[in-house]
This record gives sequence, C-alpha cells and structure tokens, in this order.
Amino acid sequence: AQSVAQPEDQVNVAEGNPLTVKCTYSVSGNPYLFWYVQYPNRGLQFLLKYITGDNLVKGSYGFEAEFNKSQTSFHLKKPSALVSDSALYFCAVSRRGQNFVFGPGTRLSVLP
Amino acid sequence: EPEVTQTPSHQVTQMGQEVILRCVPISNHLYFYWYRQILGQKVEFLVSFYNNEISEKSEIFDDQFSVERPDGSNFTLKIRSTKLEDSAMYFCASSAGTVDEKLFFGSGTQLSVL
Repeated sequence: AQSVAQPEDQVNVAEGNPLTVKCTYSVSGNPYLFWYVQYPNRGLQFLLKYITGDNLVKGSYGFEAEFNKSQTSFHLKKPSALVSDSALYFCAVSRRGQNFVFGPGTRLSVLP
Repeated sequence: EPEVTQTPSHQVTQMGQEVILRCVPISNHLYFYWYRQILGQKVEFLVSFYNNEISEKSEIFDDQFSVERPDGSNFTLKIRSTKLEDSAMYFCASSAGTVDEKLFFGSGTQLSVL
C-alpha cells in the first residue's frame, strides 16, 4: 500500500525567502506524485504533478518540486515566498492515476 | 475551468439521523471519490467509485456509509445513522482516470453532528 509522509506540521518563512515543504513517499512501482494546496474554507487545489520525465517539475504560482527516486522524496519549493502562499499543503501519491493517498499536510506561514 | 460542485455547503444533523451529501462531478470524468477532513487536518480517503461500483474503500467506510450515482450526473454519499465522530468536512473529487490525471475537488460539505 502506498503512503506519504510530511515530516513538518508547520513551516515558517519570511516573505521573499525561499521555501521548502518536505514530502517522502512509499509506493510499489512507479510513483505518481502530486502537490495540492488548501486555503481556508476551500477545497484542495492542484499545484503540480510528477509522472515521468524531468525530475524538476514546475507548477502553479511559481511553485516547483523535485522528484528524487533514491531518497523517495518530492519536496515542494519556491524561490521567493509571498504572504499569499500561506496555506495548508498536501503531498499525494497515486497508483496509476487512481486511489490517491494524501500526506498529513504542512501548514505554511509566510511572515511579512 | 470545469469544477466539482457539492451541496449543501453546511449540514447540521442530530446524532442517529441519516444524511445525504451530494456532488456533481465534472461531466466527462469516470472516477469519483469521497474524502473527509477533520478540523482542517489530515485528508482521509473514504471510497472510490468507477463503472457504477465501489473500486476501493477505507476502514472508515463501514456499513453506515454508502455511495450512489443515481442518474449519471450526481454522486452521493449517505451516512445512515450519524455519530458525533462523523463531524468533518467531506470532499468529493473526480478524475478522468487516465494515467497522469489529477483529482479535481469540490469545495466540501461541512457536516456537524450534534
């Protein structure tokens, strides 16, 4: 069975600084990896995905993520954080596009 | 962009009552899901549905839960006899189900069991 870990409940970063939100996964076969963001009182919104190809994937709002097979990681990054990036971020893994499993979430706070 | 719609946005019910949460997935999608989230924390998988039957379900999805796609557009989650611990935000999601397809989520129904 697949699983996702997000080792940090909370990440604080100053506006303008780079941010990283960590994710590690466990899945049999090739992983299909996703990042979603949730703003208060809203559903989850897709940010980016890795299926195959280049290990560095770029997504919405200037976010990117790097797939590292040897470390089974898929960390979310952004070069320069904005206060509006403050939200709850979920990493997810799926089995061939089905049966998504989400990590516990990391709350990102970007301080002005 | 197409979206998944959920109704109602809030539902308050008494313990032991039946509730039905409704969802309209994106029209050309084939896979449908229910997830729940308690107090803005972990997103928990409940059930997936494809080709008019459940394809996978979690331990949470016990005999009190059922899903239905009654008319080709709606996708419903029924809780037969609600418990206090069923209070949560319930999210419907759908996908085209192709290998690299993402999930599209609705805005959720906040269920409060009193």
